[in-house]
Amino acid sequence: EPEVTQTPSHQVTQMGQEVILRCVPISNHLYFYWYRQILGQKVEFLVSFYNNEISEKSEIFDDQFSVERPDGSNFTLKIRSTKLEDSAMYFCASSEAAETQYFGPGTRLLVL
Amino acid sequence: GQNIDQPTEMTATEGAIVQINCTYQTSGFNGLFWYQQHAGEAPTFLSYNVLDGLEEKGRFSSFLSRSKGYSYLLLKELQMKDSASYLCAVSRPSGTYKYIFGTGTRLKVLA
Repeated sequence: EPEVTQTPSHQVTQMGQEVILRCVPISNHLYFYWYRQILGQKVEFLVSFYNNEISEKSEIFDDQFSVERPDGSNFTLKIRSTKLEDSAMYFCASSEAAETQYFGPGTRLLVL
Repeated sequence: GQNIDQPTEMTATEGAIVQINCTYQTSGFNGLFWYQQHAGEAPTFLSYNVLDGLEEKGRFSSFLSRSKGYSYLLLKELQMKDSASYLCAVSRPSGTYKYIFGTGTRLKVLA
């Protein structure tokens, strides 16, 4: 069964460093999403991507964040200058249309 | 504003039935989803309701009343492996169908 994959599974970085989180969505899906979940808190929407552009972003998704679909299979989230409060689990999700989203296993980001 | 409420924790016994409620107030509605999330893992899709009524899928059923802004997830014949968080999420017709999640209900199944 097709699934969303994410790399790395864990990332530790120093405050102020750039990180790139990678996702490979399910191949025939058209909508892509990033969510994050701070430990013990609810899953929060960051950004959605459709037709090679951002379709919606949340207040969390400020200028430090960017997304890209560089090659038709990968979908990346970049944080330019990480802050302590960026420590969280980051989930990528994809969907075929306006229906069920399938989540990847997540990247646990720890900013020191 | 957007608000999705679920109980924080529930406990039930192996073999029993448990009902997890979710109430929502959102501007627009394109469906309600239930996900299971084990600690440190990704949410896994369980069920989807867009019309009023009951959807049954094996041991899991989900009910929706759009007029009341209410849904529940029913788990039957509970097993120890059902111990997890259960997330209620509402999709809004915003053009991107992003999910708004509730805080999740942590279910403990006891032997």
